[in-house]
Amino acid sequence: QKEVEQNSGPLSVPEGAIASLNCTYSDRGSQSFFWYRQYSGKSPELIMFIYSNGDKEDGRFTAQLNKASQYVSLLIRDSQPSDSATYLCAVIKPRGYNQGGKLIFGQGTELSVKP
Amino acid sequence: GAGVSQSPSNKVTEKGKDVELRCDPISGHTALYWYRQSLGQGLEFLIYFQGNSAPDKSGLPSDRFSAERTGGSVSTLTIQRTQQEDSAVYLCASRPTSGAYNEQFFGPGTRLTVL
Repeated sequence: QKEVEQNSGPLSVPEGAIASLNCTYSDRGSQSFFWYRQYSGKSPELIMFIYSNGDKEDGRFTAQLNKASQYVSLLIRDSQPSDSATYLCAVIKPRGYNQGGKLIFGQGTELSVKP
Repeated sequence: GAGVSQSPSNKVTEKGKDVELRCDPISGHTALYWYRQSLGQGLEFLIYFQGNSAPDKSGLPSDRFSAERTGGSVSTLTIQRTQQEDSAVYLCASRPTSGAYNEQFFGPGTRLTVL
């Protein structure tokens, strides 16, 4: 079982719709969760991070975390063609000796927003 | 200010040769990470440097891979006796000591092709 799992997609949504991206993780001790966006041929860029159960909103983006279900999601409202990219979910491994700050990434979900 | 820079941007080498990849982190960032991304795959953690602490080498795939960080700044990833399966984009990221926990800033990457 991979430590962080995502549906590879591609996920296709029409412009203006809500895109829902999902991620599960295996280690119950994981503490922090991140969503990165990666355009083709480019480096990942941070969109959002979330630490606490519940929702966190930032503009058109909402991150949702459910630690009991080991599940984190990203909702993109009013999707735009410019949102078309690969979205990477990442978690921080529990801190131990010399373990601080190591992100474990999922495989990424490719999102395509059709005009 | 300047972001994370990496050189070279592209490297083509023959199987069995050694290669060196360089990363210049953002000035003042104490944490530096190396990741590898194969075509269509997520990011695979390789190694992590934090200040003067011993590096976390738990992600290095074999003893052909090594990395060093001189003076707490520039880092070099060395791959000895390259194999075709080493072909990937090698990404470097750095993180400040303060600010959003573990907000990593990625460089543009080095695309390595082993013929």
